Amino acid sequence: GAGVSQSPSNKVTEKGKDVELRCDPISGHTALYWYRQSLGQGLEFLIYFQGNSAPDKSGLPSDRFSAERTGGSVSTLTIQRTQQEDSAVYLCASSLDPLNNSPLHFGNGTRLTVT
Amino acid sequence: DQQVKQNSPSLSVQEGRISILNCDYTNSMFDYFLWYKKYPAEGPTFLISISSIKDKNEDGRFTVFLNKSAKHLSLHIVPSQPGDSAVYFCAASAQNYGQNFVFGPGTRLSVLP
Repeated sequence: GAGVSQSPSNKVTEKGKDVELRCDPISGHTALYWYRQSLGQGLEFLIYFQGNSAPDKSGLPSDRFSAERTGGSVSTLTIQRTQQEDSAVYLCASSLDPLNNSPLHFGNGTRLTVT
Repeated sequence: DQQVKQNSPSLSVQEGRISILNCDYTNSMFDYFLWYKKYPAEGPTFLISISSIKDKNEDGRFTVFLNKSAKHLSLHIVPSQPGDSAVYFCAASAQNYGQNFVFGPGTRLSVLP
C-alpha cells in the first residue's frame, strides 16, 4: 500500500496479558517510529529505528515494552503483562530520510484498551 | 519538562478568517519544525515544515513562521475553512543530531461556519 499500515486497528485485552502491535512502513523508508497518545494527551515518543543502527529506546516507559524491526521493514511493538495505564492509541510512523528534513508519515494507529 | 509547548488547548475561528496556532520550544538544538493535523480516529497528517535556515514557508493556505531568537513558531491558515477543524500538533527535531521528533500537546481548532 501507499501509506503506513498498522494492525490491528483495535485491541481489547485483559490486564496481565501480552499484546503485539504491528506496523508496516512505507516501502523504502529507512526510519520507523512508535508513539502513543493517551486520552487527552499529546504524542509520546516510544522508540525509533534508523537503518541498521541500534534503536533509540529512550521513550519506552518500562521494561514491559519492547520493539523489533525485522529486515529493516515491518516492526512489532510488544507489551508484556499489560496494565490499565497502557490503554492508549499506539501510532507508528516512517520517514524516508530523517537526517535530511523528511517528515514523518503516520499510520491510523492501534487503539489498545486494557480491561 | 516539555520541550515543545502549545499553550492554547483550543481555538475557535470564524470561517474565512485567519487561524493562528502558536508553538514554543526550549531546545536550541532543534533545527527542523513541522505541523501536523489530526482528525479523530486517524493518524496525524503532515501539513508543512520549516528548516531553521528559513523564517517562513508557505504552501497554499498554510504558512509557517519561525522566530529562532524567541524559540517560537506559528502556523497561519488563511482563509480558514470548516474542514480545517482538527487537532494541530507542532513537532521539532534536531536533525543534525539524528534525534527523534518531539511533539507538542496539540491545539484543537474549530472553524465555525
